[in-house]
Amino acid sequence: GENVEQHPSTLSVQEGDSAVIKCTYSDSASNYFPWYKQELGKRPQLIIDIRSNVGEKKDQRIAVTLNKTAKHFSLHITETQPEDSAVYFCAAWDNNNDMRFGAGTRLTVKP
Amino acid sequence: DSGVTQTPKHLITATGQRVTLRCSPRSGDLSVYWYQQSLDQGLQFLIQYYNGEERAKGNILERFSAQQFPDLHSELNLSSLELGDSALYFCARGTSGGYNEQFFGPGTRLTVL
Repeated sequence: GENVEQHPSTLSVQEGDSAVIKCTYSDSASNYFPWYKQELGKRPQLIIDIRSNVGEKKDQRIAVTLNKTAKHFSLHITETQPEDSAVYFCAAWDNNNDMRFGAGTRLTVKP
Repeated sequence: DSGVTQTPKHLITATGQRVTLRCSPRSGDLSVYWYQQSLDQGLQFLIQYYNGEERAKGNILERFSAQQFPDLHSELNLSSLELGDSALYFCARGTSGGYNEQFFGPGTRLTVL
C-alpha cells in the first residue's frame, strides 16, 4: 500500500519568511495529493490540493508543487503570519481508494 | 462549516465497554470516511463507505466496525475498549463526482479510563 513520509516534523520561522514542507510517496498510481491544516483541538481543514496531471498550483500565499517522477510534493507558504501556526498534513490518495497521511509538520511562526 | 456533523462531541467510558460514534454528511454526499487521531499522532485511515457499501479498509481493528445507513449517515462501533483507543475520531465526507476531496467533521474525543 501507499506510504507517505513528511519532513520536517517541526518547523519554526520568523513572521514574513517562507516555509516549505516536503512529502514523498511510494505508490506511483497515486493521483491526488491534498494538504490539510489542523489547529489545536480542531478538525483538519483542506487548504490546497493537486492532481497528478498538474505540476504546480497556487492559492494566494500557498502553493503546492508535484514531481511525479521523483514521487514527491511540497507545500510552500510565503509571507508567513502567526495565524499560519498549526500542524500541516500531506496526504496521497492511492488506487485502493484510501487516503494515506504523512505524520504531520508542526509549524510555528514567530511574530 | 465542513458539512459534516459528528456526535457526541466528547465521550468518556471505561475499558471493556462499547460505544457508537455517529456521523452525518451533507445531503447528497455519498462517501464517508473514518479516521483515528491519537494524541500527538497523525491521522490513521480506518474505513470508507460509499452509498451504503464498504469501499476501502485501512488500519481498522477487528474490535471496530462501521456501517452506513440508507440516509447516508454512518456509525462507527468500538467494542472491548482499551486505554489505547483513547483518541479523536474524525469522520470526513467525500464530495460527489469522484474528485477525492474530503472535508472533516469536528470529531469525537473518546477517553477510555
